[in-house]
Amino acid sequence: EAEVAQSPRYKITEKSQAVAFWCDPISGHATLYWYRQILGQGPELLVQFQDESVVDDSQLPKDRFSAERLKGVDSTLKIQPAELGDSAMYLCASTLSYQPQETQYFGPGTRLLVL
Amino acid sequence: AQSVSQHNHHVILSEAASLELGCNYSYGGTVNLFWYVQYPGQHLQLLLKYFSGDPLVKGIKGFEAEFIKSKFSFNLRKPSVQWSDTAEYFCAVNLSGNTPLVFGKGTRLSVIA
Repeated sequence: EAEVAQSPRYKITEKSQAVAFWCDPISGHATLYWYRQILGQGPELLVQFQDESVVDDSQLPKDRFSAERLKGVDSTLKIQPAELGDSAMYLCASTLSYQPQETQYFGPGTRLLVL
Repeated sequence: AQSVSQHNHHVILSEAASLELGCNYSYGGTVNLFWYVQYPGQHLQLLLKYFSGDPLVKGIKGFEAEFIKSKFSFNLRKPSVQWSDTAEYFCAVNLSGNTPLVFGKGTRLSVIA
């Protein structure tokens, strides 16, 4: 069964350093999502891509976060500089299309700890 | 602001007990409703969803949920839980336009023998 791949699985960094997370969605999935999940909370959308275009980045802290999906396939989420409050699980999900009824398929996530 | 409320943070049940997890949302308009589950050490995965038709939806592993529009609710039920149902359960809602999926805070279910 096809899965969403994410790496690394765990990342420990010091504040003010740069970190990057990678996501490879299920093959053929046009829509890709990045979520942040703080411990004890549900996932919160950071950015949504339709192919290589950003559809929604209204909740992305653009002063320090950036995301790209240059060829409309895999994607990278970057934080620079990292802050203590960025410690969280970063989840990637994908859907075949942008239809809101579509099931989102999630990857295993990257757990970030900022010291 | 749009929100999703899950009433129970942690539920502990004995095997064979019945389960009902509450979910309420604060949207007007046509909604799409989801329950996702995260088993220990596994990815978030879809349990069931509703977007139209019969408001009683059946999902995997014997779970079902009922959409009650007048109560803005989409509660998850299972008549008899098993130890393997131990997991975290998330309710999520979006609107029929291209709006973000908004998740509740989740309910942790522990099933004991």
